[in-house]
Amino acid sequence: KQEVTQIPAALSVPEGENLVLNCSFTDSAIYNLQWFRQDPGKGLTSLLLIQSSQREQTSGRLNASLDKSSGRSTLYIAASQPGDSATYLCAVAPFGNTDKLIFGTGTRLQVFP
Amino acid sequence: NAGVTQTPKFQVLKTGQSMTLQCAQDMNHEYMSWYRQDPGMGLRLIHYSVGAGITDQGEVPNGYNVSRSTTEDFPLRLLSAAPSQTSVYFCASSPGLGFGRGYTFGSGTRLTVV
Repeated sequence: KQEVTQIPAALSVPEGENLVLNCSFTDSAIYNLQWFRQDPGKGLTSLLLIQSSQREQTSGRLNASLDKSSGRSTLYIAASQPGDSATYLCAVAPFGNTDKLIFGTGTRLQVFP
Repeated sequence: NAGVTQTPKFQVLKTGQSMTLQCAQDMNHEYMSWYRQDPGMGLRLIHYSVGAGITDQGEVPNGYNVSRSTTEDFPLRLLSAAPSQTSVYFCASSPGLGFGRGYTFGSGTRLTVV
């Protein structure tokens, strides 16, 4: 059974720091991996989608990498800002079951001025 | 382009009452699904659909019912509400395989069962 883990559960950093959020999954047979952002009391906003054949995706200050063989993905945030404060979730679409997502429990990020 | 629209945003129910959470998407997506989010447990799949007329159970389907009569709509019915169904419910949609795009989520429905 596919399981997704995110470490750390919470992170507090000063503004301007570069930081890395981790996501690991137990079964490498995935179709894609998606990173989301969730603000308190709000829905999920898609940040980056990495297909299983890709190694990384970039959007602005965000870079997500995927190492399928080791079951890991990282989300790199450059020059963090207080507006980046949110919970970050990763989710995998299992190969052969792409009609569903399996989520990690998220990393709650706080960036203070 | 509205994306995925969920109504209502908030709801309080008494134990035993029934209700329907509405979900509509205007992106012509084939895949739609319902998740619930509970503290410390992440998002868990309730029911999903790969197209009009096709639905299936997810990880936590008990106490919920769905149907998909059109591509656009995917309502979630609570048959007899229980306090354990207090949660935040999210609807999501995706174009499906081969489109290179992931899931889009609605803004959620916060349900309290008393």
